[in-house]
Amino acid sequence: QKEVEQNSGPLSVPEGAIASLNCTYSDRGSQSFFWYRQYSGKSPELIMFIYSNGDKEDGRFTAQLNKASQYVSLLIRDSQPSDSATYLCAVINTGGFKTIFGAGTRLFVKA
Amino acid sequence: NAGVMQNPRHLVRRRGQEARLRCSPMKGHSHVYWYRQLPEEGLKFMVYLQKENIIDESGMPKERFSAEFPKEGPSILRIQQVVRGDSAAYFCASSPTSGGVLNEQFFGPGTRLTVL
Repeated sequence: QKEVEQNSGPLSVPEGAIASLNCTYSDRGSQSFFWYRQYSGKSPELIMFIYSNGDKEDGRFTAQLNKASQYVSLLIRDSQPSDSATYLCAVINTGGFKTIFGAGTRLFVKA
Repeated sequence: NAGVMQNPRHLVRRRGQEARLRCSPMKGHSHVYWYRQLPEEGLKFMVYLQKENIIDESGMPKERFSAEFPKEGPSILRIQQVVRGDSAAYFCASSPTSGGVLNEQFFGPGTRLTVL
């Protein structure tokens, strides 16, 4: 079992729709959870972080965390073509030093 | 406030040569992380360093790879006797905190290494 798993996609949604990206992790002691966006050929940029169970909203983005199910998700409302990118889920392990990244989900938003 | 800087942005080496990748963290950041990314794959953790200390190198191959973060100057990732399989994008990230709940990392633009 991979430490952080994501559906590789591609996930295709029409412009204006809600895109839902999912991530599961294996280390039950994981502390913090991050979503990064990476455009092709570019470096990852942080979108959101969450460390408490529940929802966290920031503009069009909502992160959801369920530690009991070891599940974290990212919702993108009113998706735009500029949201087309690979979204990386990242988890800080129990020791607090190492950040483990998922392989990423490719999102395409069709105009 | 300049972001994380990496150089060179592109590096071409022949098999058997050495590759040196440099990373200057953001101002005020004393924690540096190195990741490798193969095409169409996620980021693989390699090593976490603080000034003059390697904290976690569990993701770094035992042979040919080494990393340092001296008291003065940038962090260096060194790959000796490169092979074609070392071709990848190498990203450096820095953070102001040492683990814990909030360990937001800021990424540099990456160095794309090509081994001929």
